[in-house]
This record gives sequence, structure tokens and C-alpha cells, in this order.
Amino acid sequence: DTAVSQTPKYLVTQMGNDKSIKCEQNLGHDTMYWYKQDSKKFLKIMFSYNNKELIINETVPNRFSPKSPDKAHLNLHINSLELGDSAVYFCASSHWGLNTEAFFGQGTRLTVV
Amino acid sequence: EDKVVQSPLSLVVHEGDTVTLNCSYEVTNFRSLLWYKQEKKAPTFLFMLTSSGIEKKSGRLSSILDKKELSSILNITATQTGDSAIYLCAVDRNTGNQFYFGTGTSLTVIP
Repeated sequence: DTAVSQTPKYLVTQMGNDKSIKCEQNLGHDTMYWYKQDSKKFLKIMFSYNNKELIINETVPNRFSPKSPDKAHLNLHINSLELGDSAVYFCASSHWGLNTEAFFGQGTRLTVV
Repeated sequence: EDKVVQSPLSLVVHEGDTVTLNCSYEVTNFRSLLWYKQEKKAPTFLFMLTSSGIEKKSGRLSSILDKKELSSILNITATQTGDSAIYLCAVDRNTGNQFYFGTGTSLTVIP
């Protein structure tokens, strides 16, 4: 069973489109995250979210929005896609407030053309 | 501003060599430091360090944290081609769960 799963694995879309990436975890974690990994392999936190708090990295454009229907899911919506949004997006999850590691999904490679 | 810096950025070694990867951090409310290995897809967890001077070991890999120097090292002995990957260091804070990652070290082990 996959612990953290993302769909789709690959996404190619045109500039200006709106797209979503889905993420689900079956680890019973209460906190989920979205990270962006650029071409230099730098993993940058975009959001962390649990049922109490959404923490948004201030550098993330408001075209990006997380949506969490329940504790096991955190989807990423992106409006008006731009070329610079091309990257690999990773979802992750962990327990809140403990010494614990984050578990990552397999990533979604987004290409904006 | 919180910062996590890794060095070197990239490294090429021969099988059998020993390597040391470095991670230094400047963060407020430090809770733990984590090491991950990333091959083609998802980063996979290696170690979590919370206390200074206590070595964590798993096979040929080991890691230690120095809270006074705000740094950690990851050692890999007798490297194998399967060790080729990007090694990522991350720091977790007490205030709000967010794992801040460093720039990564790309390790290539050649036969």
C-alpha cells in the first residue's frame, strides 16, 4: 500500500490554464505539506496544513491554494499557470508537534508550455 | 531568515571511498535535523537527530548533530554505486511543523 500518493504523476498544460494535483495519505497523519522542487533540486516548502492551522510560505503566489476535504487529503490548485510554475511538486505528511519525519509522495512533474 | 546550507553541492567518488556530507543551519526554535536520500523520485528518510553528540547509524551510513556549531554531518563508508543520489538535510522547528530543506548534495559513486 502506498503511504502518500499523488495524482497525476505527470501533467503537461498550457499557460493560463487552471490545474489541480491530488494527494492522499493512509498513515493516519494529521499534517500534510506541499513542496516545490525546482530544476536545481531545491525542495521549497509551500504549505503545511493540519486541521487547526494553515501555514503559507509568504513567497508562494496566491494563484496556488491548498484544499483539504479531510485529514487524509490535501489537494493543490493552481490558477493561471505560468512557465515558471514548471517543477516537480511533492506532497508529504507527518504527525503534528512531535519529533517525527515527513513521508513523501512520488511527486508530480508539472510542465507548463 | 531561516537557512539550511549543505556542502559540497556535488561530489564524485570511486566505489569504496568514504564521504562526509555537511549541513549547517540557522533557524529559530530548532527541534530536529533530518537527513533524506533522493534517488529518482520521492525523498526517503534516513535519520532524525535531536541531541548533540549522539551518533545515529544504519549500516554504512552514520550521522551526528552538533548543536553548538549548528551543524550535522552524514558519513558514508565503503561507498557503492547504489549510494549515488541527492542527499538532503532538513530542519524542523518547534513552532509550526515545516521541514526546511537545504540545497542538497549530489553524490555520484563511480565503479
